[in-house]
Amino acid sequence: ETGVTQSPTHLIKTRGQQVTLRCSSQSGHNTVSWYQQALGQGPQFIFQYYREEENGRGNFPPRFSGLQFPNYSSELNVNALELDDSALYLCASSRDPGNEQFFGPGTRLTVL
Amino acid sequence: GNSVTQMEGPVTLSEEAFLTINCTYTATGYPSLFWYVQYPGEGLQLLLKATKADDKGSNKGFEATYRKETTSFHLEKGSVQVSDSAVYFCALRLLQTGANNLFFGTGTRLTVIP
Repeated sequence: ETGVTQSPTHLIKTRGQQVTLRCSSQSGHNTVSWYQQALGQGPQFIFQYYREEENGRGNFPPRFSGLQFPNYSSELNVNALELDDSALYLCASSRDPGNEQFFGPGTRLTVL
Repeated sequence: GNSVTQMEGPVTLSEEAFLTINCTYTATGYPSLFWYVQYPGEGLQLLLKATKADDKGSNKGFEATYRKETTSFHLEKGSVQVSDSAVYFCALRLLQTGANNLFFGTGTRLTVIP
């Protein structure tokens, strides 16, 4: 069984640019959640997608947006990047919204 | 609101020492409680969980008991090993919310020295 994978591993962008991060969910999972983990902090919930629809959102501005595809993989898009967006972005998949979340290794985004 | 407060780190212990990492929570409902571990360069892994009061979660020698009266879920291990060096996160989840998302503490870095 393949686990949750994320790409790219690392990314460097400049302020004002846009970025897309990708996540492949574990086989049999239809739910993907995204978290932002700033340095030295715990992960913070961005949003969740369940069967291609947004199923809940944390306290993040609208420039953070997402998609889920029919194969349940997902994208996180961030527009107008700010320095504070520098963080590790974690994706987690689950069998459904109420089940255990399995995390990927994350994408390290640096905004200069 | 919903939040998790963890013992500040870093924590440095000698091999075979006893470990306690304190965790308390605030929740608007009746949460499930979790400990996750993050090894260097890896993603989060679920270490253990408890879904109701007085439940004890255990895994790999680690234990934590869900204490509703003290709103706590402290992580313990009787004898740590060098391989336990990692960052440990306490988290809660409320099933009432649509997303069932996790609320994490800030993490506690544990270093075990030989």
